[in-house]
Amino acid sequence: DIQMTQSPASLSASLEEIVTITCQASQDIGNWLAWYQQKPGKSPQLLIYDATSLADGVPSRFSGSRSGTQYSLKISRLQVEDIGSYYCQQAHSNPLTFGSGTKLEIK
Amino acid sequence: QVTLKESGPGILQPSQALSLTCTFSGFSLSTYGMRVSWIRQPSGKGLEWLATIDWDDDKYYNPSLKSRLTVSKDTSNNQAFLKITSMDSADTATYYCAWSLGYFDYWGQGVMVTVSS
Repeated sequence: DIQMTQSPASLSASLEEIVTITCQASQDIGNWLAWYQQKPGKSPQLLIYDATSLADGVPSRFSGSRSGTQYSLKISRLQVEDIGSYYCQQAHSNPLTFGSGTKLEIK
Repeated sequence: QVTLKESGPGILQPSQALSLTCTFSGFSLSTYGMRVSWIRQPSGKGLEWLATIDWDDDKYYNPSLKSRLTVSKDTSNNQAFLKITSMDSADTATYYCAWSLGYFDYWGQGVMVTVSS
């Protein structure tokens, strides 16, 4: 199974701050990576797919990048509505696996 | 507009089987490339992929649970189904179905399932 090591587990940041979350894949997954946002009490929503592509309706302050087997989600200017949990997910091979999640709070 | 909604028993006893239904609209599971997946999330914890069924009836299961899982579909009624046998307290979670093109593009609201005697 491909392991996705996500960090940090929790993060407290100020409004307008730049936030970065990372995921390290245990093997090469190419660009087969997605990021999801889960607001409190809600279902996850697709933010980024193919490592760098923004899903429909997602604000442009979100972006994804890749360096080898390390993937990053960046929020350029943190807003109140961005609080929640974030998960990476590899879609390279079964079993599909998720990172353990990052809980984002406002400082 | 794609929508999905899960339904199920809510609570069941240990060793019972769980049957979940995903009723969807906005796409057809008989259309090339369409998929419905099942994912679960214990309260306060992370996400675990369980199974996927394809438009052509190919099925994929998480090996950690494969012997207990069965996924199926009814394309005429726009429904997908998940059955899990031998439920245990460790299976207590919110269960989601999701529409997949390559990723989990749209999710249902989830159904909470509690296993308790």
